Amino acid sequence: AIQLTQSPSSLSAFVGDRVNITCRASQGIGNELGWYQQKPGKAPNLLIHAASSLQSGAPSRFSGSGSGTDFTLTISSLQPEDFATYYCLQDYNYPWTFGQGTKVDIK
Amino acid sequence: EVQLVESGGGVVRPGGSLRLSCAASGFSFDDYAMSWVRQGPGKGLEWVSGINWNSGSTGYVDSVKGRFTISRDNAKNSLYLQMNSLRAEDTALYYCARASAAGLDYWGQGTLVIVSS
Repeated sequence: AIQLTQSPSSLSAFVGDRVNITCRASQGIGNELGWYQQKPGKAPNLLIHAASSLQSGAPSRFSGSGSGTDFTLTISSLQPEDFATYYCLQDYNYPWTFGQGTKVDIK
Repeated sequence: EVQLVESGGGVVRPGGSLRLSCAASGFSFDDYAMSWVRQGPGKGLEWVSGINWNSGSTGYVDSVKGRFTISRDNAKNSLYLQMNSLRAEDTALYYCARASAAGLDYWGQGTLVIVSS
C-alpha cells in the first residue's frame, strides 16, 4: 500500500500567518491527491482535489501544489475558522490511504 | 441536496458481526463510486473500503481484508459494509462518502461501532 507522510504533525500559528503542510507519498501518484479539513465532531470536508484544484465552495486562501511524490497545502492567510486538522488522501490506487493528519491550532 | 445517512452501528462483542448501511439521496447513486472511512477514538482518518459504480471493482485496507465486505444496491440507493470477526481495534466512527472524480466530496455524519466484551 502507498504510504503518505504528512509534516508537521501539529503546528501553532497566528491569525494571518501563511501555513504550509506537506505530504510525501512512498511512490509516485501523479496528481491523485486531495486535502481534507476536519473540525472536532464533524465529518471531513474536501478542500483540494487533483493536488491543486480548489473544490467548489472552499475559500481561495487554500491552495495545493505538487505532483509525483511531494505535495503541499498552503493557507495564505490563516483565519480563525481554519483551526482544524488537515489530512491528505491518495486516490491513485486501492487501497486508498490518508496521511496521519496535521493539527493546526492557535498560537 | 446530497445526503448520506449511515446506520447499523452499535456495541458488539469481539468476534461478532455488524452490517452498516448508508442511504444516499439527492444524486444519481449509480453514477458514483463510494467509500467507507473510519476514525478511531482520538485517532486519524483511515480509508477502509471502496466500490465502483457497478460493483465491478472493490478495495480494502489490509487490516480488514477477509473480514469486511463492501456492497451496494443501486436500486435501493444504498451502500453496505458487512463486518465479521470484529476486533477491538475496529472500534471507530464509520463514515460513508461519495467518491467523485474530485475525491470524497460528500460525507455522512457517521455511525459508531464499539467492539467490547
